[in-house]
Amino acid sequence: GNSVTQMEGPVTLSEEAFLTINCTYTATGYPSLFWYVQYPGEGLQLLLKATKADDKGSNKGFEATYRKETTSFHLEKGSVQVSDSAVYFCALTGNTGKLIFGQGTTLQVKP
Amino acid sequence: NAGVTQTPKFQVLKTGQSMTLQCAQDMNHEYMSWYRQDPGMGLRLIHYSVGAGITDQGEVPNGYNVSRSTTEDFPLRLLSAAPSQTSVYFCASSYATRSGRASQETQYFGPGTRLLVL
Repeated sequence: GNSVTQMEGPVTLSEEAFLTINCTYTATGYPSLFWYVQYPGEGLQLLLKATKADDKGSNKGFEATYRKETTSFHLEKGSVQVSDSAVYFCALTGNTGKLIFGQGTTLQVKP
Repeated sequence: NAGVTQTPKFQVLKTGQSMTLQCAQDMNHEYMSWYRQDPGMGLRLIHYSVGAGITDQGEVPNGYNVSRSTTEDFPLRLLSAAPSQTSVYFCASSYATRSGRASQETQYFGPGTRLLVL
């Protein structure tokens, strides 16, 4: 079945450091891929998405590229800020349209 | 637009009690769903609906009932609460999925309901 695997956290970085959060997936067909972010005490909100191979999603300085050959959708940001501290979820929708999440990666950015 | 709203924000129940978690959206979305979030397990789909009068089970449906009488509302019912149902519950909505292909639609989440079952 469809599944998503994320790197385990927590990830602790200093402000202005480079961020990578790894995400790989297993799916049949042509899934759409998403990164959602959950700030403390809030619900999830879409950060970025990509709907076909080689697409790059980007938002707020974050980027992720849909790599079908490696079944990956790694999240990157060149310079993190304290305000980026949150839990990040990689997710996909398969043929049923249901959203399947990874377990989430907590990012803590220190000043 | 208010987006997706959920009530209550926090609830404490005793084992065996029943309750309904409310979810409403004002975006005219056909697709609505309920998830539970537990530490280290991400979000898991409980039930979902692709339109009024249509519901289906997700990954972890046991112990929960849903109904969808209107496009706007999608309540989640716990008939007899158990400590294993202690969790944070999120409701989400989006435009309908396209049959035969993966949905590209963004799902919009409510702020969550934190439930503690003693």
